[in-house]
Amino acid sequence: AQKVTQAQTEISVVEKEDVTLDCVYETRDTTYYLFWYKQPPSGELVFLIRRNSFDEQNEISGRYSWNFQKSTSSFNFTITASQVVDSAVYFCALSEAEDDSGTYKYIFGTGTRLKVLA
Amino acid sequence: NAGVMQNPRHLVRRRGQEARLRCSPMKGHSHVYWYRQLPEEGLKFMVYLQKENIIDESGMPKERFSAEFPKEGPSILRIQQVVRGDSAAYFCASSPPGQGLRVDGYTFGSGTRLTVV
Repeated sequence: AQKVTQAQTEISVVEKEDVTLDCVYETRDTTYYLFWYKQPPSGELVFLIRRNSFDEQNEISGRYSWNFQKSTSSFNFTITASQVVDSAVYFCALSEAEDDSGTYKYIFGTGTRLKVLA
Repeated sequence: NAGVMQNPRHLVRRRGQEARLRCSPMKGHSHVYWYRQLPEEGLKFMVYLQKENIIDESGMPKERFSAEFPKEGPSILRIQQVVRGDSAAYFCASSPPGQGLRVDGYTFGSGTRLTVV
């Protein structure tokens, strides 16, 4: 069965600190996709990154970086030099390759609420 | 190129009323997904539709909930006889045909926040 665990319910940091949000997933498929989304207080979902299971290269985008480790089934997200505008709920999600019905279902974690204090 | 449009943004219904949530996919997208986010929880898959077809409704509650995606017009998620437990944010996502995860995943709408009083 697929499962995504975000064990950190809430994290508070002071501005300019680095913070890492953890994501651990379970899947039996060899082909799957991992995502991170940001949900600011306004409520919309903002796509941050997609990673497929065959690409274990870490990625950096500005202050954001992602560490994908298949050996530990983890896809962690680090924000460097955090800012108040980073305050949001962050969701990790997993999708296996198309199932028999052609459905690309996402399995979301329960989210981590990040509070960045000025 | 407008994104996925959901309306209304906020909807308040009394217990027992009907709620109709609308989702217009991005231009060129013929696949629509509905997700529900209960308070303080992650999103959970409800239903996947293509034009005039329900492909997968394994996440839909067995009663009171229905979804459609007609040939013309938006996709509709309908909740009959709402109860307080239906209060949640409902997100719609769309993807183009035959691509799915070959692009940057879905495109999500901004959601409809349903409050049942």
